[in-house]
Amino acid sequence: GEDVEQSLFLSVREGDSSVINCTYTDSSSTYLYWYKQEPGAGLQLLTYIFSNMDMKQDQRLTVLLNKKDKHLSLRIADTQTGDSAIYFCAESATRGGADGLTFGKGTHLIIQP
Amino acid sequence: NAGVTQTPKFRVLKTGQSMTLLCAQDMNHEYMYWYRQDPGMGLRLIHYSVGEGTTAKGEVPDGYNVSRLKKQNFLLGLESAAPSQTSVYFCASSRRLAGDGSDTQYFGPGTRLTVL
Repeated sequence: GEDVEQSLFLSVREGDSSVINCTYTDSSSTYLYWYKQEPGAGLQLLTYIFSNMDMKQDQRLTVLLNKKDKHLSLRIADTQTGDSAIYFCAESATRGGADGLTFGKGTHLIIQP
Repeated sequence: NAGVTQTPKFRVLKTGQSMTLLCAQDMNHEYMYWYRQDPGMGLRLIHYSVGEGTTAKGEVPDGYNVSRLKKQNFLLGLESAAPSQTSVYFCASSRRLAGDGSDTQYFGPGTRLTVL
């Protein structure tokens, strides 16, 4: 079945870059997403990438996709205290996840001063 | 434009009680979803709907029922609550397939449910 794996924790110093990694098993995953969840809040879409892309950049965020290895990463440049949150990788074989998204367990990003 | 709203925000039930969680969206989205989130777990899909009057089972549907009588509302029902249903429930919605990749899911703030 489908599976999405992420490390549970990542600790970085303020101002450094954060790289959150994700691997997935479903070879038909066509759409991949990164969501951010702050304490007590719902999920906020950060960015998405299609399987026909290798990279996508959006301000401080860079997403890299290695389809051969089924590996997705999210790089946050110049990490700030406001970036402290749980980051979820999610995938779908259908556009927009019309039949639902499959989520990883989330990576807790911890910012050290 | 409120986006996706959920009521109630918190609820405590006793085992065997029933309740309905309401999700509403004002974005005219076709698709709606119910997920549950448990500690140390990602979100798991309970049920979803691709249009008014239609529903489908997700990954963990047992013990839940849903209804989509109006396009803007998606109800999640627990007929006989069990402690295993203690969780945070998230509703999401998305538009019909678009050509620009913007048809992703938007999430509500969540409902924290405790079953004693």
